[in-house]
Amino acid sequence: EVQLVQSGAEVKKPGESLKISCKGSGYRFTSYWIGWVRQMPGKGLEWMGIIYPDDSDTRYSPSFQGQVTISVDKSINTAYLQWSSLKASDTAMYYCARRRSGGSRFDSWGQGTLVTVSS
Amino acid sequence: QSALTQPASVSGSPGQSITISCTGTSSDVGGYNYVSWYQQHPGKPPKLIIYDVSNRPSGVSNRFSGSKSGNTASLTISGLQAEDEADYYCNSYTSSSTVVFGGGTKVTVL
Repeated sequence: EVQLVQSGAEVKKPGESLKISCKGSGYRFTSYWIGWVRQMPGKGLEWMGIIYPDDSDTRYSPSFQGQVTISVDKSINTAYLQWSSLKASDTAMYYCARRRSGGSRFDSWGQGTLVTVSS
Repeated sequence: QSALTQPASVSGSPGQSITISCTGTSSDVGGYNYVSWYQQHPGKPPKLIIYDVSNRPSGVSNRFSGSKSGNTASLTISGLQAEDEADYYCNSYTSSSTVVFGGGTKVTVL
């Protein structure tokens, strides 16, 4: 069974750093891109960026370029999303999802990681 | 890149058909047959229901269908059921090798 399991909810203060994870299982991890999607409270889905685990090729949405870093450790089938200095506006649910090749088909999603940034 | 445009809400009675539009540009929706649709129930992650404009993943009801004309893609739900009440999002591949989502449509079953 294909599974993407994300790390647990986080509560952080503004200015702190954070790295959340997404571990894939049940499929060949290096053959699928892993994308990250933000959903702010009561709002829609926003595509943040994507990484190909086999060679770490990474693409970012212009809206998120420079704001976050996407990385991967293919030895443990895990992708990451990190912030160096959180803001209150980063409060959101973050989902990872896999994509087979080019295109927009995200066929399996993680359960989501809720990040709350508050002083 | 701007979000794709979807109506904020669509409603219908049980058994009816509804259609949700997703409008982009020639750099995304119009330029590629890479439009997908997702269903999201409250508190749940999105679920893929249509990919590559009109293809259904295994296990998805054939009441869901997709199409595209020019820069606008559409999702049709036929035989509307109470369980179809959810938020629906389109997304598209773009000429920048990125992906863009629509703003989402809330479907209400009357």
